[in-house]
Amino acid sequence: EVQLLESGGGLVQPGGSLRLSCAASGFAFESFAMTWLRQTPGKGLEWVAIVNGTGTGTYYADSVRGRFSISRDNSKSTLYLQMNSMRADDSAVYYCAKTPLGIIVAVSGYFDIWGRGTLVTVSA
Amino acid sequence: IEMTQSPATLSVSPGERVTLSCRASQSVSRYLAWYQQKPGQAPRLLIYGASSRATGVPARFSGSGSGTEFTLTISSLQSEDFAVYYCQQYTYWPHLLTFGPGTKVDIK
Repeated sequence: EVQLLESGGGLVQPGGSLRLSCAASGFAFESFAMTWLRQTPGKGLEWVAIVNGTGTGTYYADSVRGRFSISRDNSKSTLYLQMNSMRADDSAVYYCAKTPLGIIVAVSGYFDIWGRGTLVTVSA
Repeated sequence: IEMTQSPATLSVSPGERVTLSCRASQSVSRYLAWYQQKPGQAPRLLIYGASSRATGVPARFSGSGSGTEFTLTISSLQSEDFAVYYCQQYTYWPHLLTFGPGTKVDIK
C-alpha cells in the first residue's frame, strides 16, 4: 500500500525551529519529486516546497524561502522540512505529498498521494 | 494567478448531477487539477490535466475546460461524495501554484 506518514509537528515559539519528517512506503521513493504543502482555515491550501527525486533540485514558496529547507534521504525513504525563524502565520496542518514524476516540470505540478498531515502551531 | 470557485456551498440530494466551477484570473491552459477533501482527511487527487481521472477515481467524476474556465461534474452524487472540492492550477510550476478556496458539497 502506498503511504506517507508525517511526524514532528507540535507547538513552537515564534522565532523557533521545527523539523518535520515524512516516511514513505509502497512505492519507489527515489523516483518521484516530493513536496510539502500546508493548510489553514483562513488561507486554505498553500504549496510550501518541493525537491526532485535525487535531492539536487529544490524550489520554495516566497512565503518560506530563506527560512525553510526541504531535503530527502532516499536510503530511508524519508522527506524532511526544516523550519527556522518560525512565525505565527506558519501555523497550519502540514502535508507531504508525492508528485507523478521524478523531475520538476510544469506537467507534473499536481499531487497524487498525500499524507494525513501533522499540526504545527507557532505561539508564545 | 487567482483561482475562484463557485458556488461556495452546494446542497445536493444523493443521485443528483453536480457541476462545480473553477475560474482562473488568466489562462492556465489545461494545467488544472481537482481534489476532494473530507473532514479530518488529506485532499485526494481526482482529476489532473483538466480532464484526466486519477487512478482509482470512479467514472462518475469528470473534468472539462481549458484556459480560464473549468468544470468538475459528478454524474450521480453518492453519499461518500459529500466533501469539499478544490481546484489547483500549475501552469507556471514550480514558480507558481495556487489552489482555489473550495466548494463544499453537503446534504440537502
